[in-house]
This record gives sequence, structure tokens and C-alpha cells, in this order.
Amino acid sequence: QVQLQESGPGLVKPSETLSLTCTVSGGSISSYYWSWIRQPPGKGLEWVGCIYKSGSTDYNPSLKSRVTISRDTSKNQFSLRLYSVTAADTAVYYCARDWHSGRNTNYMDVWGKGTTVTVSS
Amino acid sequence: SYELTQPPSVSVSPGQTARITCSGNALPKKYAYWYQQKSGQAPVLVIYEDSKRPSGIPERFSGSSSGTMATLTISGAQVEDEADYYCYSTDSNVNHRVFGGGTKVTVL
Repeated sequence: QVQLQESGPGLVKPSETLSLTCTVSGGSISSYYWSWIRQPPGKGLEWVGCIYKSGSTDYNPSLKSRVTISRDTSKNQFSLRLYSVTAADTAVYYCARDWHSGRNTNYMDVWGKGTTVTVSS
Repeated sequence: SYELTQPPSVSVSPGQTARITCSGNALPKKYAYWYQQKSGQAPVLVIYEDSKRPSGIPERFSGSSSGTMATLTISGAQVEDEADYYCYSTDSNVNHRVFGGGTKVTVL
């Protein structure tokens, strides 16, 4: 049974880089796709981006210029880096397994508990 | 960019039926999914591939999709079904993942 755990600083200063890691247990990171999703306080869910089995990535067009998702197969982890953050990036960040389904649709079937990141000086 | 549109809120009396709609231009070609999110918790998948129910999800949750509209139905809503519900799908061309804005379901 795959389980995910997010980790990283809970506080980031404006203009700096937000860095989070998702540690996967119960399954190999190389065998699946993985996504990051975020949720600002009191708002809805927003897909940030994903990393495929091949290591290639796909990003939300609204964040593409500031986001990098990478993975470390030796540690069974994947990571999110969001550059030049502002208060608008304050959110709960979730990592999730991204499952390829029928009709060429992908969806998130297993989620981490989420980690809160606040952008403030 | 691709959008999925949901009503902001739905209210239902206990034991009655709640229906939440989700509209999106790519839904004729792509599956719709539904997530339930209770306060302070991570989302939980309640419907996948338009109408399938994951194991452990009560039978009162069902889904359907026709044309550009997907619908989540809670038949015989319970107080514990109070939550935010998000529809989800992907863009037809580039497979970008998209969530609807969410619907707050109140059972009272």
C-alpha cells in the first residue's frame, strides 16, 4: 500500500524559493507518475505539476515559469521547487500518486496528508 | 486554459438526495472524477471514471456523465457527508490536470 509524506519548511520569505519533498513508501517511485497539488487557505485545489515515469515533467501553465519538479530514485522521493514566491503561494501543499486511467486521463488516487507553507517575512 | 464549473454550494436535508454538477468542454472525451474533502483533511476519491466507486466508498455515492456535464449524486445524504466536493478531469489536448472550483455540501 503506497503512502506519501510531505516535508519541508513551513515558512518561506517572499522572493525566496519554496522547497518540498515527498517521501514514498510501499512502492517504487519509478513505477508511477507523481503530482503536486496545492490549496490556498479557504480556496480550492490547484494542480501544480507532475513527473512521469520517464522523469519528464508537466506543469500548470499558470505556474510553469516558476516551478521545477524532480525526483531522487535512490531515496524514493520527488520534490517541488517554487521560485520567487509571494504571499499568494501560501497554501497547503499535497503530493499524490498520479494514476493513468482510461480515455488517456490521469488522476490522483493516493494523497499525502499535506503540509502548510506560509510565505511571509 | 481549461475550466471545470461547479455550483459553489448545495444544501440537502438528511435522507434526501444531493446532486452536484460539473461542466467542462472536454468531458465528452475525458473521464470525470470526484473528490470529497472534509475540513482539515486531504481529499478522498469517491468516484472515478465517471461512475465507478472505489472500495470503501458507500453505495449512496454515484456518478454519471453525459455530454459536457458530469454529476455526483448522494442518495440519502448523511450528516457525515457534509464536505467540499471537487470534480476533476484533464484537458483534452495536453492532459493538464484541472479541478473544479468546489461545491460545499451542507446536510441539515
